Amino acid sequence: KAGVTQTPRYLIKTRGQQVTLSCSPISGHRSVSWYQQTPGQGLQFLFEYFSETQRNKGNFPGRFSGRQFSNSRSEMNVSTLELGDSALYLCASRHRTSGGTDTQYFGPGTRLTVL
Amino acid sequence: GDSVTQMEGPVTLSEEAFLTINCTYTATGYPSLFWYVQYPGEGLQLLLKATKADDKGSNKGFEATYRKETTSFHLEKGSVQVSDSAVYFCALTTPRDSNYQLIWGAGTKLIIKP
Repeated sequence: KAGVTQTPRYLIKTRGQQVTLSCSPISGHRSVSWYQQTPGQGLQFLFEYFSETQRNKGNFPGRFSGRQFSNSRSEMNVSTLELGDSALYLCASRHRTSGGTDTQYFGPGTRLTVL
Repeated sequence: GDSVTQMEGPVTLSEEAFLTINCTYTATGYPSLFWYVQYPGEGLQLLLKATKADDKGSNKGFEATYRKETTSFHLEKGSVQVSDSAVYFCALTTPRDSNYQLIWGAGTKLIIKP
């Protein structure tokens, strides 16, 4: 099976702009989660989508939003970019094993730089 | 709330040395525990996991045992290689389907010198 894919891999934007990142989960996975990774804050949970519905949300401002499509692909949008939004954005596809234990598989990430 | 504490890095070892990266956790209920690895410029890869007390996860020579009595999940490898240089993250999740998220440690950078 193909892994989680994210596009684009790298982005450079300027303050005030908006950006959309895309994630395609592993085939058959219906849950997609997004994380932000920065040197200062480490890995922080943004939100999770399951069957087109946001199931859980982290502690981020409303400028960060997402959605999921019927084919489970997900997009994340950040509006009015700030310098502090520069980060690696990771998407994870969720798999439930037969034992009921969830395992997340990650994509390579999108490196966003805000100038 | 739930949390994960890892030993601070960087950890610098010579090739073929024994590796231990400490991880302890605080959680309500019965969490599942994970180790993920991040190589330079890449995303996170699942290294191993354990879902209940006394379970041992293993992969690529790495092992970790779920110790409920000490709330620990230390990562070990008997003989490290230069290719093991990466950042290692310990994480947990409690399997509540309506509120699923991974809780992460800060990460430990491992540097292996030839």
